[in-house]
Amino acid sequence: GNSVTQMEGPVTLSEEAFLTINCTYTATGYPSLFWYVQYPGEGLQLLLKATKADDKGSNKGFEATYRKETTSFHLEKGSVQVSDSAVYFCALSGNQAGTALIFGKGTTLSVSS
Amino acid sequence: KAGVTQTPRYLIKTRGQQVTLSCSPISGHRSVSWYQQTPGQGLQFLFEYFSETQRNKGNFPGRFSGRQFSNSRSEMNVSTLELGDSALYLCASSLQGMASGIYEQYFGPGTRLTVT
Repeated sequence: GNSVTQMEGPVTLSEEAFLTINCTYTATGYPSLFWYVQYPGEGLQLLLKATKADDKGSNKGFEATYRKETTSFHLEKGSVQVSDSAVYFCALSGNQAGTALIFGKGTTLSVSS
Repeated sequence: KAGVTQTPRYLIKTRGQQVTLSCSPISGHRSVSWYQQTPGQGLQFLFEYFSETQRNKGNFPGRFSGRQFSNSRSEMNVSTLELGDSALYLCASSLQGMASGIYEQYFGPGTRLTVT
């Protein structure tokens, strides 16, 4: 079945450091890929998405490229801020109506000033 | 536009009791999905409703059930609560129609259920 594997944290960085959170997936067909972020005490917010191979999703300085050849969707940011501290989830879904999101375990990012 | 709302935000129940959680989707959204989030299992899909019909179901026991009303609001019910049901229950809504493809969901803040 479909699954998502992402690096487990916690990831601890200093402000302005470069961030990479690895995500790989297993899926039949051509899923859509997502990164969600969860701040303490809140629900999930969609950070970015990509719906086909070689698409690059980007938002708030974060980027991820849909790599079908390596079945990966790694999240990157060139310069993190303290406010980026949160839990990041990689997820996939099929492109049929009613398809559930399948999430990775989540990666906790902690950024210090 | 108001986001997804969930009530109550926090709930404490005793083993064996039942509980009902409520979710109001974003106006115009017809699909509502429910997820359970626990430290051990992460985020797991419970079920999805569209136009008052359950369209998809995850691998959870029959104690977990849900429904959707004509205004798209949804409720989930857990009967005979167990300690392991303690979790954050997240609701998500989507504009998605039956023929659409891309699945972008908007999540509510969740209901934190503690079973003692």
